[in-house]
Amino acid sequence: DAGVTQSPTHLIKTRGQQVTLRCSPKSGHDTVSWYQQALGQGPQFIFQYYEEEERQRGNFPDRFSGHQFPNYSSELNVNALLLGDSALYLCASSLAGGYSTDTQYFGPGTRLTVL
Amino acid sequence: LAKTTQPISMDSYEGQEVNITCSHNNIATNDYITWYQQFPSQGPRFIIQGYKTKVTNEVASLFIPADRKSSTLSLPRVSLSDTAVYYCLVGDEVNFNKFYFGSGTKLNVKP
Repeated sequence: DAGVTQSPTHLIKTRGQQVTLRCSPKSGHDTVSWYQQALGQGPQFIFQYYEEEERQRGNFPDRFSGHQFPNYSSELNVNALLLGDSALYLCASSLAGGYSTDTQYFGPGTRLTVL
Repeated sequence: LAKTTQPISMDSYEGQEVNITCSHNNIATNDYITWYQQFPSQGPRFIIQGYKTKVTNEVASLFIPADRKSSTLSLPRVSLSDTAVYYCLVGDEVNFNKFYFGSGTKLNVKP
């Protein structure tokens, strides 16, 4: 049973570029959340997708957008990259609509470096 | 969202029991308490979750007093591989998984 997978593992971009990160949830999970983790800090919630719609959103600008596909996989898109977007981007999946009483399973993350 | 406060770091030796306390004074009635473990360059891993009193699983115990304003994660007989950052989170069904991770507690287990 595969856990949460993310691609790519590492990515280097320059300021102003756009990036797309991908996530496949744990088998049987229907909800995907995205987090940004800067070096030395805890993960910060970006948004959550359920039934192909954004259901909750954290304090992130519109440059951050996402999508969920019918197979529950998800993409995170970041436009007009800034140096401050350099971070580890984590995807987490959960079951039954992603209520907080359910366990979240995190992927290994994508390390994004913006030069 | 209920904000949590944890010690920034803790040191321990192999074989010892480690207790990490988390303060969450503004916890709401519907909030659950969840602990995650994170190794460098990896995603957080669920350890344990509870609502009140005591919860125990194969890796840890979670103690929650009656007022629920704090909780204590107990790791029995730690090993070097338990060196990681431990996060305490508080959340409810309304906010789904909009968890506030904070900076966590860096546990350093020494030989």
